[in-house]
Amino acid sequence: GEDVEQSLFLSVREGDSSVINCTYTDSSSTYLYWYKQEPGAGLQLLTYIFSNMDMKQDQRLTVLLNKKDKHLSLRIADTQTGDSAIYFCAEMSGGYNKLIFGAGTRLAVHP
Amino acid sequence: KAGVTQTPRYLIKTRGQQVTLSCSPISGHRSVSWYQQTPGQGLQFLFEYFSETQRNKGNFPGRFSGRQFSNSRSEMNVSTLELGDSALYLCASSLVGLAGADTQYFGPGTRLTVL
Repeated sequence: GEDVEQSLFLSVREGDSSVINCTYTDSSSTYLYWYKQEPGAGLQLLTYIFSNMDMKQDQRLTVLLNKKDKHLSLRIADTQTGDSAIYFCAEMSGGYNKLIFGAGTRLAVHP
Repeated sequence: KAGVTQTPRYLIKTRGQQVTLSCSPISGHRSVSWYQQTPGQGLQFLFEYFSETQRNKGNFPGRFSGRQFSNSRSEMNVSTLELGDSALYLCASSLVGLAGADTQYFGPGTRLTVL
């Protein structure tokens, strides 16, 4: 079946790195995504990774994929207060544009 | 380029009523998807439309329906509203609705409250 799990809360100090973890169950997923949601806003796509890759870097963001363990992580380097938001991991499953989302990880950045 | 727009942004209805939400995709995008976001169930896929045809559907009752017009704008309708339908309804658009580089861009959502 389709299921995506994430830890619900992460607190980090400004300037540190944040690592948000996610596990998924659908081994046929070809693409995995990270979205960010700020209060009162929709979802903003941060990055995605194709299942034949094990790492993707995009400025301060690094995505690691362990396909064997079905584990995905998002690392944010030099975390800033503006990074405070809810981060969703999602897999594309079941056809056209059907994203299966995790419950979201609330990232709190403190001085 | 303008983003995905959704109207109205906020809506209050009472149980038993029906509601129609509207979504205008990014210009040139032909695929529109709808999602429901609630604190209890999180983000759940409702349906996806492309060229006025529903191509994919989530596990929601028949009270939830949608359509897409020839200009790619989409509407979703919820009939006989229940308290549990209170949610943020998000619309997303993409070029043709394929995975990967054809990414989905989300609108700000319509906050529906059912009293």
